[in-house]
Amino acid sequence: AAGVIQSPRHLIKEKRETATLKCYPIPRHDTVYWYQQGPGQDPQFLISFYEKMQSDKGSIPDRFSAQQFSDYHSELNMSSLELGDSALYFCASSLGGGAGNTEAFFGQGTRLTVV
Amino acid sequence: QQPVQSPQAVILREGEDAVINCSSSKALYSVHWYRQKHGEAPVFLMILLKGGEQKGHDKISASFNEKKQQSSLYLTASQLSYSGTYFCGTGSPSDDMRFGAGTRLTVKP
Repeated sequence: AAGVIQSPRHLIKEKRETATLKCYPIPRHDTVYWYQQGPGQDPQFLISFYEKMQSDKGSIPDRFSAQQFSDYHSELNMSSLELGDSALYFCASSLGGGAGNTEAFFGQGTRLTVV
Repeated sequence: QQPVQSPQAVILREGEDAVINCSSSKALYSVHWYRQKHGEAPVFLMILLKGGEQKGHDKISASFNEKKQQSSLYLTASQLSYSGTYFCGTGSPSDDMRFGAGTRLTVKP
């Protein structure tokens, strides 16, 4: 069965550079969530989209932006990268809205390292 | 707002039981349970949607007390493969899914 696909899997960037992370949800899933997980930390909710509209916003820095496209894939754009942005970024997808009424499945994550 | 999980860590011997609790200060639509191995993605275990709902598969089950805004995950006769960090995720009328801080479970032979 198709799963959530994230790309790239690994990314190394320098401070002040920009990065774009991509997430392709499970086919027919209309909801995408983005999480940031630092070493030994729990996943911190960044932002979510339902039917191409922003559904909820969490602790996403102003330097970051995201959108969901007509094919339901989502991109997380990160600018002016800082060392503290180094983390695993997970995307998850589900069906039917962001209040978590259906199970959400996670991609394998993108490991971002800022040097 | 994040749900609160307890305990933070548990160490078990194979065959022992454990309970992990998750509570929220908000009214909840749903509670999700995930297990994450180091460096891997969280893996979905189960979702509970109704107050008083209980679910389970194999030797892992969970309950959801909607009135108390809390859920518990029960692991019985634990196996080595149960080791990992367990997260509860909660959805509410105002928030999409938020995770608790996690409970690190270690099962030893």
